[in-house]
Amino acid sequence: DAEITQSPRHKITETGRQVTLACHQTWNHNNMFWYRQDLGHGLRLIHYSYGVHDTNKGEVSDGYSVSRSNTEDLPLTLESAASSQTSVYFCASSDLAGYYNEQFFGPGTRLTVL
Amino acid sequence: AQSVTQLDSQVPVFEEAPVELRCNYSSSVSVYLFWYVQYPNQGLQLLLKYLSGSTLVKGINGFEAEFNKSQTSFHLRKPSVHISDTAEYFCAVTSQGGGNKLTFGTGTQLKVEL
Repeated sequence: DAEITQSPRHKITETGRQVTLACHQTWNHNNMFWYRQDLGHGLRLIHYSYGVHDTNKGEVSDGYSVSRSNTEDLPLTLESAASSQTSVYFCASSDLAGYYNEQFFGPGTRLTVL
Repeated sequence: AQSVTQLDSQVPVFEEAPVELRCNYSSSVSVYLFWYVQYPNQGLQLLLKYLSGSTLVKGINGFEAEFNKSQTSFHLRKPSVHISDTAEYFCAVTSQGGGNKLTFGTGTQLKVEL
């Protein structure tokens, strides 16, 4: 069965360190998204990609970057982790055609920045 | 720009009672609306979606929602809840030209009690 996976599921890091969160999907979807979930804010879009070598900034992109070298993966990098980036991160993917396609979500990565 | 407001952060309800989770949206163009459910320590999964046509939309697990354009609402209902419905529920919107990017509400925690 097709799926979307994230790793690690839990991560503790220190302020200033670079951190990369992995997202891998086997749906063969062109669209991929990264969200962060914080209490009182719901999910907010960080970055998104519509295909290989395409990346775009979302609502809360400062301090984050992504790169898309293949269809299956969209890693999220925190260049210099800050305590404000402590959050739960979700990756999602959807099919290319149409603007109303269901997004399929990964299980999330809980990141703590000390 | 589009936005979503979920008026209730928490909704306690007894098992077998009916429940309504409220969602209001704002957008200057045609919208497509979604309800997602998040069970503890899991990712989000789609409950139902409104794209066009009938304003009453039926989803999984006995949930339904009604799109009301004049009131810009998309409230979620279930006539009789079960303990297993305890979860967080998110309303989300995307629009024509929105590139399948979702804007989420802040979520409503539904707690079903015996």
